[in-house]
Amino acid sequence: GAVVSQHPSWVICKSGTSVKIECRSLDFQATTMFWYRQFPKQSLMLMATSNEGSKATYEQGVEKDKFLINHASLTLSTLTVTSAHPEDSSFYICSARDRVWTDTQYFGPGTRLTVL
Amino acid sequence: GESVGLHLPTLSVQEGDNSIINCAYSNSASDYFIWYKQESGKGPQFIIDIRSNMDKRQGQRVTVLLNKTVKHLSLQIAATQPGDSAVYFCAENRNDMRFGAGTRLTVKP
Repeated sequence: GAVVSQHPSWVICKSGTSVKIECRSLDFQATTMFWYRQFPKQSLMLMATSNEGSKATYEQGVEKDKFLINHASLTLSTLTVTSAHPEDSSFYICSARDRVWTDTQYFGPGTRLTVL
Repeated sequence: GESVGLHLPTLSVQEGDNSIINCAYSNSASDYFIWYKQESGKGPQFIIDIRSNMDKRQGQRVTVLLNKTVKHLSLQIAATQPGDSAVYFCAENRNDMRFGAGTRLTVKP
């Protein structure tokens, strides 16, 4: 089946620093990828839609200058949390839609971010 | 906002029993649904999908039923095992896929 990877799987950083998370579709091309955030015991919240070759579309309430998204190729999207603060600590999950073969959305394993 | 939601936040079953997780949706034009399983500390895992031209679809130990009349779908897990313990989400396959709270399935040994 389709595989989506994320790197790193977990990261700990100091407050004020920036952290980059990578999302890759390993065996299919994804013109659109999605970034979600999940707090403990809560559901996934869509943050933004990442479009290859164009600007990301952010959900209401998500700061685009804080959560920078770059979708440089058909298999890679990155999320950079800039000037991270403890309240940004969360589980970040990406997904990618395989439009060619299955038209199904597949999720990555997630990245646990802890900001000290 | 979300267009699909789950009925019960938690479900506890005995190992070996069958589990049924329900989901309702509001958009009658929705034509493709996916069930995901999320284990603790992991991303959602695709389980099974169903399109609106079908009423039922079976996989390995799982069956999804779709009732378009009442806009309801269910996930049935046969002979539930401890490894099935997770949070289950139903979702409409759309670009801005959103999730409800999910149903936490606990399997008692």
